[in-house]
Amino acid sequence: EADIYQTPRYLVIGTGKKITLECSQTMGHDKMYWYQQDPGMELHLIHYSYGVNSTEKGDLSSESTVSRIRTEHFPLTLESARPSHTSQYLCASSESGRGSGYGYTFGSGTRLTVV
Amino acid sequence: GQQLNQSPQSMFIQEGEDVSMNCTSSSIFNTWLWYKQEPGEGPVLLIALYKAGELTSNGRLTAQFGITRKDSFLNISASIPSDVGIYFCAGSGGGSNYKLTFGKGTLLTVNP
Repeated sequence: EADIYQTPRYLVIGTGKKITLECSQTMGHDKMYWYQQDPGMELHLIHYSYGVNSTEKGDLSSESTVSRIRTEHFPLTLESARPSHTSQYLCASSESGRGSGYGYTFGSGTRLTVV
Repeated sequence: GQQLNQSPQSMFIQEGEDVSMNCTSSSIFNTWLWYKQEPGEGPVLLIALYKAGELTSNGRLTAQFGITRKDSFLNISASIPSDVGIYFCAGSGGGSNYKLTFGKGTLLTVNP
């Protein structure tokens, strides 16, 4: 049973709209991540957070922004959606202590289509 | 930054065949992980390896942490149709570096 939840699962939206992708986890993990996955399969890290009020940009430049006001919640926002933002967005979280030795737990993803 | 080379990029096999895929890195990792992603879902952790030379099994899956700490492989024996998906390797240098580095994935298709 999933302990990290992403909503919506699918979203089709018009160009120029503001959207927020939700991600919540119930495991008390300090670290959370957003990945963008294109049809080519590769996972691109776009944002991460090591705790409340901590956010960093990832390896792939993204026009999206994130916030971490509560440990369990890590939403991603696009102020003005464009067709180039069409992609699968995956949220993940991990424990502290042994670094990433415990691995990441991923949500089921949000498939975003901007028309 | 750290990069992982995962191969093959895709595999198209018959049910019952064994499968092997691997990852190599230009730098040393302290942890190697293997994930599987099924269509429409997020990746799920299959096997975690924490020690050079470690060989770990999970059912029909076996993974090894290379002695040089720069590579890992995953074997699937007697493949079945539900093995279909994308397999990712991931590595971590450990310590204060909490982020995983992911390979580009191996797409596995199994013909019944």
